[in-house]
Amino acid sequence: AQSVTQLGSHVSVSEGALVLLRCNYSSSVPPYLFWYVQYPNQGLQLLLKYTTGATLVKGINGFEAEFKKSETSFHLTKPSAHMSDAAEYFCAVSDRSGGSYIPTFGRGTSLIVHP
Amino acid sequence: KAGVTQTPRYLIKTRGQQVTLSCSPISGHRSVSWYQQTPGQGLQFLFEYFSETQRNKGNFPGRFSGRQFSNSRSEMNVSTLELGDSALYLCASSLGYRSATEAFFGQGTRLTVV
Repeated sequence: AQSVTQLGSHVSVSEGALVLLRCNYSSSVPPYLFWYVQYPNQGLQLLLKYTTGATLVKGINGFEAEFKKSETSFHLTKPSAHMSDAAEYFCAVSDRSGGSYIPTFGRGTSLIVHP
Repeated sequence: KAGVTQTPRYLIKTRGQQVTLSCSPISGHRSVSWYQQTPGQGLQFLFEYFSETQRNKGNFPGRFSGRQFSNSRSEMNVSTLELGDSALYLCASSLGYRSATEAFFGQGTRLTVV
């Protein structure tokens, strides 16, 4: 069984400040990891994903995440927040459970960016 | 390349009615998954279809059903609607089954049950 924990349902930062959204997972096998962003009344858009290889993954809009197996973490960072980054962010994990890769999503973290 | 299209975008239904939601995946994608999103429960997996067959099912009552057509388009149906079924229903398509390719999401259908 797999699960995802996102620490903090809300994270507030000032424009230009570092963004750090935390994600920890549990999985019985090495997982695939994803970060999605959701803007109001929209679907989810993939920011980045880790499957194999380099543990530091770069995504769209200046975001990146690092897979740390020893810490079972996949935290999302961005060096400088922009007002347009305000949205809901979801971490997801998938492994070959039941023969498919159905992702399990965290509860989401709402990123608030102050001017 | 067109994205995932869900129709309608908004629906208002009365308790006890039934509803059908539609999802057209990205061209060439054969796997379609459905999710329910609510403030209380977050994103919950409903079911996944591939090649017109349900491959996986989440923990939802039998009132929730779906199907997939030969052109990969999918529909989900909810019968005997309850107030708690009010949610954003998201459809996602991906290239194939048993793969780690990412899912591409539609904008969702906002269902309100009154």
